[in-house]
Amino acid sequence: DVKVTQSSRYLVKRTGEKVFLECVQDMDHENMFWYRQDPGLGLRLIYFSYDVKMKEKGDIPEGYSVSREKKERFSLILESASTNQTSMYLCASRIGTGVSYEQYFGPGTRLTVT
Amino acid sequence: AQSVTQLGSHVSVSEGALVLLRCNYSSSVPPYLFWYVQYPNQGLQLLLKYTSAATLVKGINGFEAEFKKSETSFHLTKPSAHMSDAAEYFCAVSKGNNQGGKLIFGQGTELSVKP
Repeated sequence: DVKVTQSSRYLVKRTGEKVFLECVQDMDHENMFWYRQDPGLGLRLIYFSYDVKMKEKGDIPEGYSVSREKKERFSLILESASTNQTSMYLCASRIGTGVSYEQYFGPGTRLTVT
Repeated sequence: AQSVTQLGSHVSVSEGALVLLRCNYSSSVPPYLFWYVQYPNQGLQLLLKYTSAATLVKGINGFEAEFKKSETSFHLTKPSAHMSDAAEYFCAVSKGNNQGGKLIFGQGTELSVKP
């Protein structure tokens, strides 16, 4: 079974702090994704990576950056956390080729910024 | 451009009743469609997907969905709801070839099941 793990289930940070969210997958997937989930808005793509050190902005990249130094690990960075970044963050991975393959999700990190 | 609309942010059914969750899509390319389920405090799990092989798609836990091109719909159904079906359900459409498998998600529908 594909396993996607995220470093924390719950996180509380203060405004202005630098925040790191880590995601690790164990199936050698090429593609990895970071989403945020907010009520009534569904999932919105923050960043996407299709290979080590390769990244692409999603629909809402402002205030975020990412790092992918190893194939299995994709990190989301909030350079200076703000209260409007309080949300559920979901990481996903999938095989690189073919449009019909599904994404596999981690359990999510619920981040609160105070 | 692709988009997904889920009609109804909350749906409530009685245990044993039919479950119908609606999803309409817009796609400029042949669509690949997915239904995901999210149980409380968990990530998303794939229920089923449409990849053009068959218009009626069967998934896990007794769910199925029918692709109707003329109606641009991919509604999710289950004949008899169970208490354990209470969750949030997301419909998604693939952005198309050469897009790395990126998906566009609907807003989600929360399903409640009454005893």
